[in-house]
This record gives sequence, structure tokens and C-alpha cells, in this order.
Amino acid sequence: AQKITQTQPGMFVQEKEAVTLDCTYDTSDPSYGLFWYKQPSSGEMIFLIYQGSYDQQNATEGRYSLNFQKARKSANLVISASQLGDSAMYFCAMREGEDNQGGKLIFGQGTELSVKP
Amino acid sequence: GAGVSQSPRYKVAKRGQDVALRCDPISGHVSLFWYQQALGQGPEFLTYFQNEAQLDKSGLPSDRFFAERPEGSVSTLKIQRTQQEDSAVYLCASSFGQGPEAFFGQGTRLTVV
Repeated sequence: AQKITQTQPGMFVQEKEAVTLDCTYDTSDPSYGLFWYKQPSSGEMIFLIYQGSYDQQNATEGRYSLNFQKARKSANLVISASQLGDSAMYFCAMREGEDNQGGKLIFGQGTELSVKP
Repeated sequence: GAGVSQSPRYKVAKRGQDVALRCDPISGHVSLFWYQQALGQGPEFLTYFQNEAQLDKSGLPSDRFFAERPEGSVSTLKIQRTQQEDSAVYLCASSFGQGPEAFFGQGTRLTVV
């Protein structure tokens, strides 16, 4: 069974508007971490934001926020005030277990975001 | 260096050829991961090192794939007798081993012809 599901292969957003990229996950481990990475055409994976399963508040990093709904097992990424440079592939990922166990990341299929001027 | 460095950036191999991909993690990072990313897909885990110990190699697709990190820093992913289905981007990531964030290199794009 797929552990990370990103149902939007591609998304368009107008510059300066907000956009939400969907991510649902599946795990039976009570401890896990959820990540969002950005992958521009250059190929490197750029870490954006992290949410721990026990975190009470939604994570925020600048224009990025993670809408964490634990009961629904969703971890959507919200990008506010989109910029042309935000055009890229975005991957949701999960790590099971505690942070200090150094576990592997399980990635979704990705969403390609295109920002229109 | 400041980030994770991978070399070569691009590699074209003839089917049946052996290849070696190198990863230089961030200095002091204990954990090192290799991922394989096929075109249009998300990265898939291959193997994980903590210092020089290979703690998880469950993602290696066949016995043609071999990874090492003999001194707990630089790592090499070796693919023997390459096949067309090995064509992918190979990503390396490193982390302190505690805390959430893993830092990725730019990857090596392997094309098997």
C-alpha cells in the first residue's frame, strides 16, 4: 500500500496567490515525521518544512506552512504569495520512528507546480 | 564543502558496464542515505549508513548494487553490469543523525544505453 499519496500531478497558480499542495499518508507508527521538499529543474532536493507527529501546532517556515490534520492523516503544504521561482516539483515525504533513529524517507509521487506571471 | 557533493553529475554507461557514483556528505554528518529517482517519480530509498556501518540495505534492487562508506565519510554506490532499467538519478543525502532534516546533493543522472 502506498504510504504517501499526492493526488495532484500538476498545479497552476497565479503569481502572488496562495496555493495548497495535497498530501495524505499512512502509517501505524505513533512516531513519525512529515516533510516537504522542493526539487527545481537543477535536480537537488531542497528541504522546506517539517512536522513531527507529536507537534501540537502546524509548522511554518516563511511563506510555507504545513496544514497538519492528524486524524485525517493529511499534511498539506500551503505556499503563500507565490513567486515565479516557486515553479518546481514538490515532494511530500514521511519518516517513521523517532528523529534520532535516522530513518529513511518515503516519498510521494510529487506535484509539479507552475506559477503564472 | 558547504553542501552534499555528488560526482559525476552525469554518467552514460553502456549496458553491461560497471559504474561507481560518489557522495561527499556534509562534514560531521553521521547518517548517509542513497535514493534512486526514476524519471517522473519520487525518490526511492536504496540504503542507509550510520558512520561506516550499513544499517539498512533493504532498498537495493539487486545484488548488482553495492554501497560502501569505509571511513564513515565519503560513500560510493557501485552498480555492476548495468542494465537499461538502472537509468535514473541517484541522490545522496546526509544528516547529523538527530533532528529531522536531511540535506541532499544534486544527484548523478545515470543513463544506460
